[in-house]
Amino acid sequence: QSALTQPASVSGSPGQSITISCTGTSGDVGGYNYVSWYQQHPGKAPKLMIYEVNNRPSGVSNRFSGSKSDNTASLTISGLQAEDEADYYCSSYTSRSTVVFGGGTKLTVL
Amino acid sequence: EVQLVESGGGLVKPGGSLRLSCAASGFTFSSYSMNWVRQAPGKGLEWVSSISSNSNYIYYADSVKGRFTISRDNAKNSLYLQMNSLRAGDTALYYCARDSVTPRFDPWGQGTLVTVSS
Repeated sequence: QSALTQPASVSGSPGQSITISCTGTSGDVGGYNYVSWYQQHPGKAPKLMIYEVNNRPSGVSNRFSGSKSDNTASLTISGLQAEDEADYYCSSYTSRSTVVFGGGTKLTVL
Repeated sequence: EVQLVESGGGLVKPGGSLRLSCAASGFTFSSYSMNWVRQAPGKGLEWVSSISSNSNYIYYADSVKGRFTISRDNAKNSLYLQMNSLRAGDTALYYCARDSVTPRFDPWGQGTLVTVSS
């Protein structure tokens, strides 16, 4: 199972919006609405930010939103804040009943 | 508070074995599927294995199939990962993570480090 494709890095200034893409295939991202996004700060465990493409767990800021079109999912962070600087990973359920992660995207807040 | 605490990591020689444990608390462990996810130093996340609440459904990543065995003891609120024939490429921080009705990992433990080296 190949990893989902994410950009290695993105950046934005405080207050701006950024979008991170996550491209898979019809056997994972395109076939199921089971895309999740995780935030990971250095030395910390990942934290669930979005599940089922566009749902936020309780306690996650509404500045985080998700979407999907065909085989590509996206995470948008609006009103960037310094605390958003972290690594972000997408994941998807697959046709083999497994889970595949993206390679990760490092977000830098300028 | 929902909590997952991994243990059992350490330094092991190539070809060796190790058993990881994950102690769960703060929720009804027997009602949830559980997963192991690993992260090599400086690298991204890699899903390793999942087990359903009653152990009826078990899945593995191709990279560990035939070498790793996931199991659980609902009476002890514990998840396990038996790792055999370890390779240098298995060196990673191993996290356990709770699943949900639909596939998603929340929360995660703090991880236990496995180092495979001679």
